[in-house]
Amino acid sequence: DADVTQTPRNRITKTGKRIMLECSQTKGHDRMYWYRQDPGLGLRLIYYSFDVKDINKGEISDGYSVSRQAQAKFSLSLESAIPNQTALYFCATSGFEGSGYTFGSGTRLTVV
Amino acid sequence: DQQVKQNSPSLSVQEGRISILNCDYTNSMFDYFLWYKKYPAEGPTFLISISSIKDKNEDGRFTVFLNKSAKHLSLHIVPSQPGDSAVYFCAADGNKLVFGAGTILRVKS
Repeated sequence: DADVTQTPRNRITKTGKRIMLECSQTKGHDRMYWYRQDPGLGLRLIYYSFDVKDINKGEISDGYSVSRQAQAKFSLSLESAIPNQTALYFCATSGFEGSGYTFGSGTRLTVV
Repeated sequence: DQQVKQNSPSLSVQEGRISILNCDYTNSMFDYFLWYKKYPAEGPTFLISISSIKDKNEDGRFTVFLNKSAKHLSLHIVPSQPGDSAVYFCAADGNKLVFGAGTILRVKS
């Protein structure tokens, strides 16, 4: 089993719809992250959480929300999807600073 | 305002030669620098890292060099292999990772 599992792997949704991307990890780490990847822009941080009661905005949090349901679960929601949220979304987890992140395989989201 | 920059969108090298990927950063408070490798349809995978108190870290064919005065780091791959063809991301850690835009490496056989 993968250390970080993201569901769904691919999703096409319509503008204005609410959608949730889910992430679970088996590493036992406290820290979890959501990034999006766009061509030419690399990975940009949407939200991060250092423990279950800690939620922080990243550099591009507008239009997104998150929920940390448990140490192992961190979900990302788009309340009202728009086409420029079409991207590849990655969830990650980490231990202490400098230990490196473990990423999931990504969710390819298309908003039409 | 990009804190981590990879100015070369792509790089093409011959199998067996050296690949050098470059990265610049602006924030001198970063504690660690990391390189990630990404294949299509997969998440990024950790490759190698370096602490800000060091100037070199080596792991097999991969070596990362850090020049703090220039705020510059580079990843050297020697010898390059076709399986190294991927997107390489430079990242800086100052309690969360900040990524560069990535460099596509193509190793020709």
